[in-house]
Amino acid sequence: KQEVTQIPAALSVPEGENLVLNCSFTDSAIYNLQWFRQDPGKGLTSLLLIQSSQREQTSGRLNASLDKSSGRSTLYIAASQPGDSATYLCAVKHNSGYALNFGKGTSLLVTP
Amino acid sequence: EAQVTQNPRYLITVTGKKLTVTCSQNMNHEYMSWYRQDPGLGLRQIYYSMNVEVTDKGDVPEGYKVSRKEKRNFPLILESPSPNQTSLYFCASSTGLARHNEQFFGPGTRLTVL
Repeated sequence: KQEVTQIPAALSVPEGENLVLNCSFTDSAIYNLQWFRQDPGKGLTSLLLIQSSQREQTSGRLNASLDKSSGRSTLYIAASQPGDSATYLCAVKHNSGYALNFGKGTSLLVTP
Repeated sequence: EAQVTQNPRYLITVTGKKLTVTCSQNMNHEYMSWYRQDPGLGLRQIYYSMNVEVTDKGDVPEGYKVSRKEKRNFPLILESPSPNQTSLYFCASSTGLARHNEQFFGPGTRLTVL
């Protein structure tokens, strides 16, 4: 079964810093990988989706990379802001099966 | 606005009292699914549906039922809820399961079973 791990579990940074969140997965036979943001009491917001054939995707201050062979993805957040404070979840869809396999998330706090 | 909606958002009930959590999407998506989120366990898939009248079990289907009579709706049914079904539930949908298809999630339903 696909195992998805996110490190660190929690991160606190001052406003303005660039930061990297890590996601690793055990089975490289993935279909795609999706990064989500979860705010307390709210649902999951899709941030970026990387297809298995792609190396990276960018949206505004966010950049996600994928290295399938090593089983890793990173989410880079540039010039962090307090509004970026949330839990970030990485989810992998395997080539077979229909479920997204989620990591347990990284809880990010950006302090003013 | 394109969205996935769930109702109710919060529910407290007692063991054994049947309940239904509704899920609706307005994006004409074919694929819909339910997840539960528990501390330390993350999100796990309960059931999914590839299209109308096509449903199948996910990783943790015990104690749940679903139906897909219309494309836009995918209700989650707990026939006899138990305290171990206390959780945060999410409905999700996507156009399909192609590599480029993002999955969109609803706002969540927090269920407490006493």
